[in-house]
Amino acid sequence: DIQMTQSPSSLSASVGDRVTITCRASQSISIYLNWYQQKPGKAPKFLIYAASRLQSGVPSRFSGSGSGTDFTLTISSVQPEDFATYYCQQSDSTPYTFGQGTRLQIK
Amino acid sequence: QVQLQESGPGLVKPSETLSLTCTVSGASVSIGNSYWTWIRQPPGQGLEWIGYIHYSGSTNYNPSLKSRVTISLDTSRNQFSLKLSSVTAADTAVYYCARVGYSGYYYFDYWGLGTLVTVSS
Repeated sequence: DIQMTQSPSSLSASVGDRVTITCRASQSISIYLNWYQQKPGKAPKFLIYAASRLQSGVPSRFSGSGSGTDFTLTISSVQPEDFATYYCQQSDSTPYTFGQGTRLQIK
Repeated sequence: QVQLQESGPGLVKPSETLSLTCTVSGASVSIGNSYWTWIRQPPGQGLEWIGYIHYSGSTNYNPSLKSRVTISLDTSRNQFSLKLSSVTAADTAVYYCARVGYSGYYYFDYWGLGTLVTVSS
């Protein structure tokens, strides 16, 4: 199985801050990398696919980059509605696997 | 708009079989090249992919659960289902059904609200 490791596990930020979350795969996955946002008690929401392509309707302050084993999710200016847990997920091969999550909290 | 809704018992006894159904609206489970999947999340933990079913009926399961999992399609009701046998407390989780979207790359684009299943006697 491909292991996905996110860092940090949690971070605190203020509204307006630029935030970056890192995801590392245990082997190369090209750009088969997706990102999701999950708020407490809710289902995950699909944000980004193919490492950098925004799903329709996702605000442009979200961006993704990377290829191979190292990926990042960046929020250029954090808004109140962005405080949530973020998960990366590889779709290179089954079993599909997720990172352990990064919790973005209000400072 | 594609919508999914999980249904099934919220409490299952140890050693019994967990059975859930996902009802899909706004899309057909039997449309060409569509995949439908189950994902679970133990309380306070991360996400685990369980498996998927193709519109043709072919399946792919997580090896960690493969011996206990069955995913099936009911095209007449536009539903797909999950059965997980011989459950233990470790199977307590919120279970989500989702659509596997494809634009050259696979992703989970539409999710159900999730349903909590507790394994307890």
